[in-house]
Amino acid sequence: DADVTQTPRNRITKTGKRIMLECSQTKGHDRMYWYRQDPGLGLQLIYYSFDVKDINKGEISDGYSVSRQAQAKFSLSLESAIPNQTALYFCATRGRDADTQYFGPGTRLTVL
Amino acid sequence: GESVGLHLPTLSVQEGDNSIINCAYSNSASDYFIWYKQESGKGPQFIIDIRSNMDKRQGQRVTVLLNKTVKHLSLQIAATQPGDSAVYFCAETGGSYNTDKLIFGTGTRLQVFP
Repeated sequence: DADVTQTPRNRITKTGKRIMLECSQTKGHDRMYWYRQDPGLGLQLIYYSFDVKDINKGEISDGYSVSRQAQAKFSLSLESAIPNQTALYFCATRGRDADTQYFGPGTRLTVL
Repeated sequence: GESVGLHLPTLSVQEGDNSIINCAYSNSASDYFIWYKQESGKGPQFIIDIRSNMDKRQGQRVTVLLNKTVKHLSLQIAATQPGDSAVYFCAETGGSYNTDKLIFGTGTRLQVFP
């Protein structure tokens, strides 16, 4: 969905490096989410945010941190990347009065 | 814990035929279900959803059926087209009606051949 953008789309980095993945949305949604997707597994929730001042851990938050800089921007950071964080990362948004989450195009991260 | 899974990892259908993709869930209290389509290199795209107070819901060429008795969800695609080729996965709320913490299945790959 072009209303949710993610940068970069692909990134290769080395173990120990700090990485930031960015997500922006023009849907005007309050809620934003970060997921990772691994082969053979369903999407797993890393962090989610209801608004700029409300950040919540998901099921796999260890090794990750997030920043909600504005309603439209939600960044995911890997402070010290490790190889098992190699995955596809998706950002999603949801309106306050709706149930459906809308996803961005994803970032493919490879940690060597 | 709760789980959402799919019976078939790959489904091959001929163009023009109907497709049925299945999903099982384990939490009988789950109250909201969603189907997503994910094409190669893209993010998941919402297809259709259904609440537990319904058995069937129809969209454009797609129908979702919910059988709460056997905890089974299916997605039917009518007149399957090449553009329908993708991975399809279901998601559920896991009984909490918390649509912030969806539980996602692993996906079924739909292949459409001429």
